[in-house]
Amino acid sequence: EAQVTQNPRYLITVTGKKLTVTCSQNMNHEYMSWYRQDPGLGLRQIYYSMNVEVTDKGDVPEGYKVSRKEKRNFPLILESPSPNQTSLYFCASSMYFRPQKTEAFFGQGTRLTVV
Amino acid sequence: KQEVTQIPAALSVPEGENLVLNCSFTDSAIYNLQWFRQDPGKGLTSLLLIQSSQREQTSGRLNASLDKSSGRSTLYIAASQPGDSATYLCAVRPSNAGGTSYGKLTFGQGTILTVHP
Repeated sequence: EAQVTQNPRYLITVTGKKLTVTCSQNMNHEYMSWYRQDPGLGLRQIYYSMNVEVTDKGDVPEGYKVSRKEKRNFPLILESPSPNQTSLYFCASSMYFRPQKTEAFFGQGTRLTVV
Repeated sequence: KQEVTQIPAALSVPEGENLVLNCSFTDSAIYNLQWFRQDPGKGLTSLLLIQSSQREQTSGRLNASLDKSSGRSTLYIAASQPGDSATYLCAVRPSNAGGTSYGKLTFGQGTILTVHP
């Protein structure tokens, strides 16, 4: 089954304690990205990656890091989480080289609370 | 800058009604438009993808149309059921930003649909 898998689904942490949210896709997609969803602000892109070792900032990258060492995995790293990073996070993947037909697939989301 | 607007923000209908959700976008330079469903606290499930060269797509009781020149899309749900209750999001994929920008989707704020028995 084609899917994007995020872990953990729920996470409560304290300010400043480094954490990683994992994301994995099994569709051999080149493009992967992270979004956060906040009430009244909708979905905003944090970082994206076009392929292995190629990453770039989205609209709201401050306080986040990513890496793409393997095509299937795209972890999101919060080096020093703060309460304003409390949000619902989504990982997404899609093909890159056929933009008309490119369909985005999303993970189930990670609910992060930073206290 | 592309902006996506969804109207209405919320909709409550009795079971069995046919309904229309609206999505408008300010820049017609898009590759495609995608409709998603989101259940509370859950992930986004892709419902329909309409390529910019297409006028509509159908899947079961769902029909999505696209008028790229006027910057509008509609999602038609036939014979609504309580299980259709969810937030519906539309998102566009830009075609004029150049380089790597077409990977990023621009989302609307969503329409919260409640179908009551």
